[in-house]
Parts: sequence; structure tokens; C-alpha cells
Amino acid sequence: EAGVAQSPRYKIIEKRQSVAFWCNPISGHATLYWYQQILGQGPKLLIQFQNNGVVDDSQLPKDRFSAERLKGVDSTLKIQPAKLEDSAVYLCASSFQKLAGGRDEQFFGPGTRLTVL
Amino acid sequence: GDSVTQMEGPVTLSEEAFLTINCTYTATGYPSLFWYVQYPGEGLQLLLKATKADDKGSNKGFEATYRKETTSFHLEKGSVQVSDSAVYFCALRESGGYNKLIFGAGTRLAVHP
Repeated sequence: EAGVAQSPRYKIIEKRQSVAFWCNPISGHATLYWYQQILGQGPKLLIQFQNNGVVDDSQLPKDRFSAERLKGVDSTLKIQPAKLEDSAVYLCASSFQKLAGGRDEQFFGPGTRLTVL
Repeated sequence: GDSVTQMEGPVTLSEEAFLTINCTYTATGYPSLFWYVQYPGEGLQLLLKATKADDKGSNKGFEATYRKETTSFHLEKGSVQVSDSAVYFCALRESGGYNKLIFGAGTRLAVHP
């Protein structure tokens, strides 16, 4: 079974530029998560989708970050404009659960390492 | 809010040594507790979990017991191998909500032959 796919694996941009990350979850997984992992810290949830609807985006900096999951499959996370403090690894995860209150295991992709100069 | 605190690393051990990585948590209600492992260049993988007090999670020789009285979930392994070198994350899932995970800062383990 193929795992969670993410691209690109690495990205270097200048501050104030825009960047987008792509995630393709495990086939059949209804729930998709984006986490931000700053160096030396644990991952922090940015946004959670249930199919193509947002369940939790309470920690997403909405003035510069946006995410979408059209058709309830793959997803993109965008930062516009980027700041130095956005340098981090962005992890995508998915889980099977069909209902928002489900408790299924999350499977993580390899992440995208973003460096903002 | 809920939080997880892990011992700082790096932890450096010789092969076959005993491993303990401490993890404590603060949470309302009755969270589930997890250990994830991240090998170099790979994504996070679930190592073990426990969903209620006194449960013991185990996998690949690793164990952790959910201790509600001390709000702890320490990771142990009796004899580590070089291949166990990785970053280990303790995490909790809130008892309510939408399957959100809250992670500790991670502990890097280096095992030398």
C-alpha cells in the first residue's frame, strides 16, 4: 500500500515570496492533516480536513496560510507571503475515519522542508 | 491547554544498553497516549499507544505504561540496537475533539556499536 506522498521534499525561498506544498493521502483515507514542525519542536497541527471540509483550523495563521482539499483527496497548503519564522518541516498525515469524531491512526508523509531566507 | 513534556536529548547509548525516555503530560479528561518514531529522512511512524490508565503499549521491544497518578508515559527498551537511532516523540490525543495530536519536542537517540 502506498503511503502519504508529499512534494516537493525541499524548498528554499526568499521572505515575502509565496510557496505551495502538495499532499496525496493514502487511498481511501477521509481525513487529512497538515502539521508544522519547527526545528527542535514537536509537530503542531495547522489544519484538519474531513473529506473536503475543514474540521479544525484554529492554529492556522490565516493572514498568510491557506489550505484546500478539493474533491476530498489531495490537498495543497500555501504560504503567502512567507516570513523567516515559517522555516520548518511541513508534514501531511491522513487517517481512514469517515466521521469527524473518529480515532483512527494517523499515517505521516516524509514532509517538506522549507527554508525562508 | 493540553501539553506534553519530554526529556531533552540527545541521549547517547552503547548497543545493548537500557533505554528510558521520560514523558509527562498535562490534560483534562482522559487522553490517549502515543510514542512516534522518526528515522532519518522518513516520516513519523506510530511506535506504540495506550488508551486508558494502566494500559501498557509495546512494539519492537519498546514498552510504555500509561500512569495516570503520575501523568507519565515513559518509553523503555531493555537492549537498544544501532538501528534504534532516531528521534522519538511522545504525544497525546485529547479525549474530546477531532483526533488532534499534541506532541512533545522530541528526544534524539543515538546508539553506538
